[in-house]
Amino acid sequence: GAGVSQTPSNKVTEKGKYVELRCDPISGHTALYWYRQSLGQGPEFLIYFQGTGAADDSGLPNDRFFAVRPEGSVSTLKIQRTERGDSAVYLCNGGQGGSWQYFGPGTRLTVT
Amino acid sequence: RKEVEQDPGPFNVPEGATVAFNCTYSNSASQSFFWYRQDCRKEPKLLMSVYSSGNEDGRFTAQLNRASQYISLLIRDSKLSDSATYLCVVNGRGGSQGNLIFGKGTKLSVKP
Repeated sequence: GAGVSQTPSNKVTEKGKYVELRCDPISGHTALYWYRQSLGQGPEFLIYFQGTGAADDSGLPNDRFFAVRPEGSVSTLKIQRTERGDSAVYLCNGGQGGSWQYFGPGTRLTVT
Repeated sequence: RKEVEQDPGPFNVPEGATVAFNCTYSNSASQSFFWYRQDCRKEPKLLMSVYSSGNEDGRFTAQLNRASQYISLLIRDSKLSDSATYLCVVNGRGGSQGNLIFGKGTKLSVKP
């Protein structure tokens, strides 16, 4: 929605593997948010970037999760040693001004 | 207590019915309020913002009561296409504009 793209759309991985999820926000938009939505739940905040820096990472569940945004545009969410409980849809929300309410289509992560 | 609580649902109604969704939030410092709609296996999409004075968009009316920390959404003359999950959303944690806190959602099924 509103020009935010996420790749891959689906990712199946084995328990213990490393995965990277990508978010490509609207060009020029400085704010970027990651959320995670488990089955039957609303999205939960993970981390917020303002430009290149993580302004708030209080939602990251543990140190297996890490995110970067080195050039202030594309962001990558990295999950180490994946667990079955990490299975969820990972949503990215980026924008500036009135666009910040719009989410990308999400990446559906399944850990087997 | 969850930060945002909604009716558990699901709501199953006939076409043309009026449906009311209720939501309460726990953080009195919350500053912005929204209803999002989420179709099956899709990302949440902003339905409408909610203002203290109440606001209406066609068949949809949203109300906010700050004193009671209560938000509502009314759908009149429901259509089959209104079938979706409705998410109550607030923000204001740390003042980050896009740091959204979602309720669990209430599923609506409109039947012919």
